[in-house]
Amino acid sequence: DAGVIQSPRHEVTEMGQEVTLRCKPISGHDYLFWYRQTMMRGLELLIYFNNNVPIDDSGMPEDRFSAKMPNASFSTLKIQPSEPRDSAVYFCASSLGGRIYNEQFFGPGTRLTVL
Amino acid sequence: QQQVKQSPQSLIVQKGGISIINCAYENTAFDYFPWYQQFPGKGPALLIAIRPDVSEKKEGRFTISFNKSAKQFSLHIMDSQPGDSATYFCAASKGGFKTIFGAGTRLFVKA
Repeated sequence: DAGVIQSPRHEVTEMGQEVTLRCKPISGHDYLFWYRQTMMRGLELLIYFNNNVPIDDSGMPEDRFSAKMPNASFSTLKIQPSEPRDSAVYFCASSLGGRIYNEQFFGPGTRLTVL
Repeated sequence: QQQVKQSPQSLIVQKGGISIINCAYENTAFDYFPWYQQFPGKGPALLIAIRPDVSEKKEGRFTISFNKSAKQFSLHIMDSQPGDSATYFCAASKGGFKTIFGAGTRLFVKA
């Protein structure tokens, strides 16, 4: 099992550019989560999907952020336009619903730097 | 009401000692309390989790103690080892999905 796959692992871009982060969840998992981790704010849930449908996007910081899940094996998090304060590590996680303990499996993260 | 407060921010323990990390929550609707371990450059990984209908759960050297009336829970790491040096996050959620994380505790175990 390859685990959750994220790409790219590192992204450096300039302010105002569009950034797209990608995630492939564990096969068979029906929940997908996007998190952002910073020193100041810790680990924050941005949005999560169930069966490809967004369930809660209340953590998305503003309209510059958007997330999609076109199918069960792929999701994107897009920032347009990017700003220096978006610099963070972005994690994708997936889980299998319908269990007593819904363990979330995290990917390795994408370290985003916006100059 | 959605916050999970975690302490201490950092912790240094001698090898073989006990590491204790504490968390407190406000929202009584939370029904799932996991602890995650994160090594540098890696994503968090589930360490151990508990539901509020039990007061303690033990897995190997790791124990969660849960006090429902005080809305507090803690992680105890017995016989701490240098390999346990990592950042530990407590968390809380309703149903295991919308998860609120504590700020994290950096643990360093001295050899």
